[in-house]
Amino acid sequence: GAGVSQSPRYKVAKRGQDVALRCDPISGHVSLFWYQQALGQGPEFLTYFQNEAQLDKSGLPSDRFFAERPEGSVSTLKIQRTQQEDSAVYLCASSFFTGEGYGYTFGSGTRLTVV
Amino acid sequence: DAKTTQPNSMESNEEEPVHLPCNHSTISGTDYIHWYRQLPSQGPEYVIHGLTSNVNNRMASLAIAEDRKSSTLILHRATLRDAAVYYCILRDQGSSGGYQKVTFGTGTKLQVIP
Repeated sequence: GAGVSQSPRYKVAKRGQDVALRCDPISGHVSLFWYQQALGQGPEFLTYFQNEAQLDKSGLPSDRFFAERPEGSVSTLKIQRTQQEDSAVYLCASSFFTGEGYGYTFGSGTRLTVV
Repeated sequence: DAKTTQPNSMESNEEEPVHLPCNHSTISGTDYIHWYRQLPSQGPEYVIHGLTSNVNNRMASLAIAEDRKSSTLILHRATLRDAAVYYCILRDQGSSGGYQKVTFGTGTKLQVIP
């Protein structure tokens, strides 16, 4: 597609439920990032993939968060046993590479509400 | 990570120029200055980037101070559609593997008054 696609657009989960958030990056984009954005805050880095390799997961807040990109294209962010503090917008971004000339293209995000 | 400082909010009248400042006093020689903006209910959108020289594109202009410790994003004629949060970030292209985790601050919320 022409842009980064994220689904679902909105997700309401009961506390303790597992959720999976999907990101379809722009075709051919090597780099893929996940960010978490709380209300009124800037996006916070979660994890980075280069193709299928997860090169940085330092931003994942706990071991309940897991991300994968098995074939180097579509990525899934999974949150196990959701907690209320997980409520946020989860943004995915992709880039052809990470060189300075390449800006990131972001999706519109998935708004997760844990009740 | 090198940090940036931006005002929390700014106002502009429609069709007037807007100058959005950003301070980055700890910028390193290999840091590029990037600007993104985020419209309501959207993901951030790339606006412009530069290293030392001023840059222009169809969306905006970027003026970089000679000592590189500050920069200004210039919207030449603000429209209502420019109301957004504007983020100034630094990207170091000197890090190993060409990858660097990008850190966003809280940005500047621009309000455009009709």
